[in-house]
Amino acid sequence: GAGVSQSPRYKVAKRGQDVALRCDPISGHVSLFWYQQALGQGPEFLTYFQNEAQLDKSGLPSDRFFAERPEGSVSTLKIQRTQQEDSAVYLCASSNRTGTYEQYFGPGTRLTVT
Amino acid sequence: GENVEQHPSTLSVQEGDSAVIKCTYSDSASNYFPWYKQELGKRPQLIIDIRSNVGEKKDQRIAVTLNKTAKHFSLHITETQPEDSAVYFCAAIFTGTASKLTFGTGTRLQVTL
Repeated sequence: GAGVSQSPRYKVAKRGQDVALRCDPISGHVSLFWYQQALGQGPEFLTYFQNEAQLDKSGLPSDRFFAERPEGSVSTLKIQRTQQEDSAVYLCASSNRTGTYEQYFGPGTRLTVT
Repeated sequence: GENVEQHPSTLSVQEGDSAVIKCTYSDSASNYFPWYKQELGKRPQLIIDIRSNVGEKKDQRIAVTLNKTAKHFSLHITETQPEDSAVYFCAAIFTGTASKLTFGTGTRLQVTL
């Protein structure tokens, strides 16, 4: 079946621009996660949704980062007034259960802020 | 806090040899330990995982061992092949952290002919 998909795959933004990154999880998956992966590093947690509820946003680096999942399926990560340090790959993952269950990743969106 | 350390950062083995990657986790309760393989420019791919009530798990050439007392877990790849070359990440879910994965820093495995 279809895996997790993300769009766009690549995004170049000028510093100060707003960007929106989309994630389509595996159909029926309850849990959705966003991670940020800097070059040469492991993914770092940003935020977590269970259905439409955002249960943990402790990893969001600043109030310029905002995520939503209004209908409990597709999610959007928005970054306002992008800065160079926001340049990274943004990964989305989904899981069909809560707790200690497998998370499957999308291909990521590579954001470059110039 | 929750932390996962991973060693080595790079590993080079000859085709057919075994590779071992080790991770330790911080002094917090944890009950789920997945391993991901990430090829250049690709998504992290779940290759094997282990839960805290199990000491070892195998899947063909891949095995994972868990020592909860020592708070470390390891990935073993036997009969390595060139297509095993990638970056491998260990991770853990710590109890009470809403299922988020905490990743190690990664190991770049190079399998040479």
